[in-house]
Amino acid sequence: SQTIHQWPATLVQPVGSPLSLECTVEGTSNPNLYWYRQAAGRGLQLLFYSVGIGQISSEVPQNLSASRPQDRQFILSSKKLLLSDSGFYLCAWGVTGTRSGELFFGEGSRLTVL
Amino acid sequence: AQKVTQAQTEISVVEKEDVTLDCVYETRDTTYYLFWYKQPPSGELVFLIRRNSFDEQNEISGRYSWNFQKSTSSFNFTITASQVVDSAVYFCALGSNYQLIWGAGTKLIIKP
Repeated sequence: SQTIHQWPATLVQPVGSPLSLECTVEGTSNPNLYWYRQAAGRGLQLLFYSVGIGQISSEVPQNLSASRPQDRQFILSSKKLLLSDSGFYLCAWGVTGTRSGELFFGEGSRLTVL
Repeated sequence: AQKVTQAQTEISVVEKEDVTLDCVYETRDTTYYLFWYKQPPSGELVFLIRRNSFDEQNEISGRYSWNFQKSTSSFNFTITASQVVDSAVYFCALGSNYQLIWGAGTKLIIKP
C-alpha cells in the first residue's frame, strides 16, 4: 500500500532563517506531488506541484521553492523565512497523468516563524 | 470559472444529531470529479469519497452519506447520529480540467 510521510512535524524558526521540509512517498511510482499551505483557520493554498523528477510548477510567487531530486521525494525550501510563511504545510501525492484526481496527504508540518 | 462554495463556515450540533454539510460547485466541464476530505484536529487530511460526474447515485458508508445532484450542482455530505469524533474541518473539492479546486472548508463541532 502507498504511504506518504513528511517531516519535521513541528518547527519554530526565526525570521530570515532557512527552511527545508521533506516529503517522501512509498508504494507507488511516478506520482504527482504537491505542496499545500494552510494558514490558521483557513483553506488550502496550492504552492507547488510536480509531475516528474526535476519538474516543478509554482502556483504562487513567493520566497519558497520546491525541488524533486528523486521520483518519490519532494522538498520545500526557503533561503530566508518571512513572518507570513507561518502555517501548516501539507505534502500530497496523486496518481500520475491527472491533476484532477484524489490526493493523499502527509501528516503535515506546522511552521511558526518568529 | 471553476469554483467550490462551502457556505457554512462553522456548524455546531449536539452529539447524535444528524448534520448536513453543503457543497456547491461551478464548472463548464462535462467530466469532473467531486471529493470530500476530513481534517481532524491532528491536521492530516483524510480522503473520504470521490464521485465522477456521470454517476449521480447517492452513496452511503456507515453513518456517512453523500447526495450528488447535477441539477443544482451540489454534492452534500450528511453525517447521521453524529459523534464527538466527527468533529473536524471538512473540505469539498472539484477535480476538473487538470485542476483540483478546493472549498474553504466547514468546521464541524460535535458537542457531547
